[in-house]
Amino acid sequence: EADIYQTPRYLVIGTGKKITLECSQTMGHDKMYWYQQDPGMELHLIHYSYGVNSTEKGDLSSESTVSRIRTEHFPLTLESARPSHTSQYLCASSEFFIGTSGAYEQYFGPGTRLTVT
Amino acid sequence: ELKVEQNPLFLSMQEGKNYTIYCNYSTTSDRLYWYRQDPGKSLESLFVLLSNGAVKQEGRLMASLDTKARLSTLHITAAVHDLSATYFCAVDRRETSGSRLTFGEGTQLTVNP
Repeated sequence: EADIYQTPRYLVIGTGKKITLECSQTMGHDKMYWYQQDPGMELHLIHYSYGVNSTEKGDLSSESTVSRIRTEHFPLTLESARPSHTSQYLCASSEFFIGTSGAYEQYFGPGTRLTVT
Repeated sequence: ELKVEQNPLFLSMQEGKNYTIYCNYSTTSDRLYWYRQDPGKSLESLFVLLSNGAVKQEGRLMASLDTKARLSTLHITAAVHDLSATYFCAVDRRETSGSRLTFGEGTQLTVNP
């Protein structure tokens, strides 16, 4: 089982502030992901990384940015928070699944619930 | 563009009853995942289905995959209150360097005593 950590767990912040959501994993996984999820709704991929110095935008357009300087660390930054950014942000990492067909299983962190006032 | 649709989106059932949640997807894939999410919590992996005809069972839950029909089912047998949660299916889009998941909308299950 993967150990993946997110901080802070809850954040209430005013409009216009810069924020960074932290995500770390201790399993040495190459692949890491950020999802945005509104309450009771589906998860939308906003960023992903397949390794150090590699980042890509996901399916849902987001004003956030990410970086991947170390394998274990994948922070997400909002330069100027707005009320529309209020949501839950989930970080995940994945490893290659042992099997003949091959697959990646994603492990999720506890999430950061962000409220922008 | 891959679309993943679950139904029903809301399910209220009595303890002891059986029911099935359906997950349809729009493009070819032979890798599908089921996750559980409790309110305010993160996602917990339930099943990984890796081939056509795959069937996995854990306790009162059983998942299956039909890649030809692009359909996965999550069957609940003799439901108990502890199964109340939101269940998501996710389809794997394999890429050269890794994979990305597309999630369904989720099925919010409430099991009543």
